[in-house]
Order: sequence, then structure tokens, then C-alpha cells
Amino acid sequence: EPEVTQTPSHQVTQMGQEVILRCVPISNHLYFYWYRQILGQKVEFLVSFYNNEISEKSEIFDDQFSVERPDGSNFTLKIRSTKLEDSAMYFCASSPTTWLNYGYTFGSGTRLTVV
Amino acid sequence: GNSVTQMEGPVTLSEEAFLTINCTYTATGYPSLFWYVQYPGEGLQLLLKATKADDKGSNKGFEATYRKETTSFHLEKGSVQVSDSAVYFCALSDRNAGNMLTFGGGTRLMVKP
Repeated sequence: EPEVTQTPSHQVTQMGQEVILRCVPISNHLYFYWYRQILGQKVEFLVSFYNNEISEKSEIFDDQFSVERPDGSNFTLKIRSTKLEDSAMYFCASSPTTWLNYGYTFGSGTRLTVV
Repeated sequence: GNSVTQMEGPVTLSEEAFLTINCTYTATGYPSLFWYVQYPGEGLQLLLKATKADDKGSNKGFEATYRKETTSFHLEKGSVQVSDSAVYFCALSDRNAGNMLTFGGGTRLMVKP
């Protein structure tokens, strides 16, 4: 069964450093997403991406965040200057269509720890 | 705005017990409803879904019925197994609010032999 792959599974970074979280969506999917889950809290939407541009973003997705699909297979989330409160599990997802009848396919997540 | 509320866990059951995890929602439009499951160390997997009122989603012995009158989508299973131990998330999508998913807080289920 096709999978969404995320790397690394766990990343530790110092406050103020830049991090890039990587995702390989399912190859024939067109829509890509990032969600995050702070420990003990809800899974929250960050951003959706289609046709090489952001289609929607939440209030959480401020100027320190950016997304990119650099080579047609990878989908990355960059956090420019990490803060302690960015520590969370970050999930990538993809879907073949925007119509959510089908649900997304999620990756296993990257646990980001900012120290 | 849209929101999902689900019962707090952990829920601890013995094998073969009946499971109910409550989920209620608030939505401005006509949402689709989902249950996702997260097994230890894994990502979120779609368990079942329902796209309109009175639809019943089912998978792997789990069921949930979209109840518009009570704005609920409770997850049930008649006989749980140890392998069902996981965190369960209720979620909705609302076409009037874009294509993002709004999640509940998750409910951890622990099934003991």
C-alpha cells in the first residue's frame, strides 16, 4: 500500500536554528499538507499546498514557516528560527483530490524537539 | 468556527468488551466526518468515514453513524482486541471552510488481555 514517508523521525535542534522537515507524498497525489500536534494537544492544520503554491494556511503558519516542493517528489516544511513552542510532532499528508470524502494519507510524523 | 470534542481517555477495557468513544462536533456547513487511528510509533490512519447524515462508516469491526440531529459520530466496536490499543481521533472536514481537517483531542484506548 502506498505510503507517505517522513524524515527524520526525530530531530533535536537548538532554539533559533533553522530546521527542514522532509516528506515524500504518494506519487500520484496532488494535494499536500502539514499538520502538527503539540504533546497532549490536538492535531492542528498548518498548511495545504497544490499546484506549487499554498492553497490554505492557518494562523499558526506565520512568516517563520515555509513550504516547498523542490524536486517534484519531496515536500518540505522549513521553520526559519525555531522557538521552544515549536516542539511538536509534525505530520505530512497527501490526497489525490481536495474533496475530503476520501481522507488523507498521513506519514508517521517527525518529532521536533527544540532545546 | 468548526470544532470536534471527544471523550478524554485513557479508556481501559478488557479484551472482548464493548467499546464506545463519544464524538460531537460543531460545524457551520455540512461536514464529512472521520475517525483516524494512531498505533504506537505510526502515523494517522483513516479508520472510517461518513459524508452525510445517517451514513454509517465501518471498518475492521468498528462502526460510527453520522447523527446530524445530535451532531455526533460516536465510534463503537462490539468486541475489542488487544491489537486495537491505540489513540483514536475524530475529525471533520467542511467544504465551506476549506479542505483542512479539524481534529478532536484524541482518545487513548488500552485493551488488556
